[in-house]
Amino acid sequence: ELKVEQNPLFLSMQEGKNYTIYCNYSTTSDRLYWYRQDPGKSLESLFVLLSNGAVKQEGRLMASLDTKARLSTLHITAAVHDLSATYFCAVGAGNNDMRFGAGTRLTVKP
Amino acid sequence: KAGVTQTPRYLIKTRGQQVTLSCSPISGHRSVSWYQQTPGQGLQFLFEYFSETQRNKGNFPGRFSGRQFSNSRSEMNVSTLELGDSALYLCASSLEGIGGYEQYFGPGTRLTVT
Repeated sequence: ELKVEQNPLFLSMQEGKNYTIYCNYSTTSDRLYWYRQDPGKSLESLFVLLSNGAVKQEGRLMASLDTKARLSTLHITAAVHDLSATYFCAVGAGNNDMRFGAGTRLTVKP
Repeated sequence: KAGVTQTPRYLIKTRGQQVTLSCSPISGHRSVSWYQQTPGQGLQFLFEYFSETQRNKGNFPGRFSGRQFSNSRSEMNVSTLELGDSALYLCASSLEGIGGYEQYFGPGTRLTVT
């Protein structure tokens, strides 16, 4: 059974600092998704990574996928307060299933 | 382009009742997936519908069911509600399915079972 582990689960950062959120998964998959969720809100799609070595960047966020290591990272550069949210990774299982990590609650402090 | 809509947004039911939630996908999207989000279990996949057919189902009891109509709108039904069914229920639509395509999530329906 596919298991998805995110770490850290809680992250408190100072503005301007860099940090990385890790997403490990247990079985072969070539589909990895990152989502953002603000409190009381729905999920917003950030990145869809579909191949080994895929790297995508949007603003201060950059995501990468290593299917051989079964690892994806979400790197935050020069964090700002607006990035405070919960970030989820999700892994495609089979053709039509998706398993989510537990989420990383990020707080960016001034 | 209008986003994914879900109705109702909030719902309070009592144990033993049943509930139906509705999801209207983005125009042109044929896939609708449903997810349950709780503080304890996190986000869990319920099922996916594509062109009126259920393509996959998560590990949920048979009390959870769904269907999709010819216009791609989808409904989810939970019968004999239990306290543990209290959750945020999210639906997501995508062009062809969750097999590699981006999903767009609706605002969710918050169900409280008392």
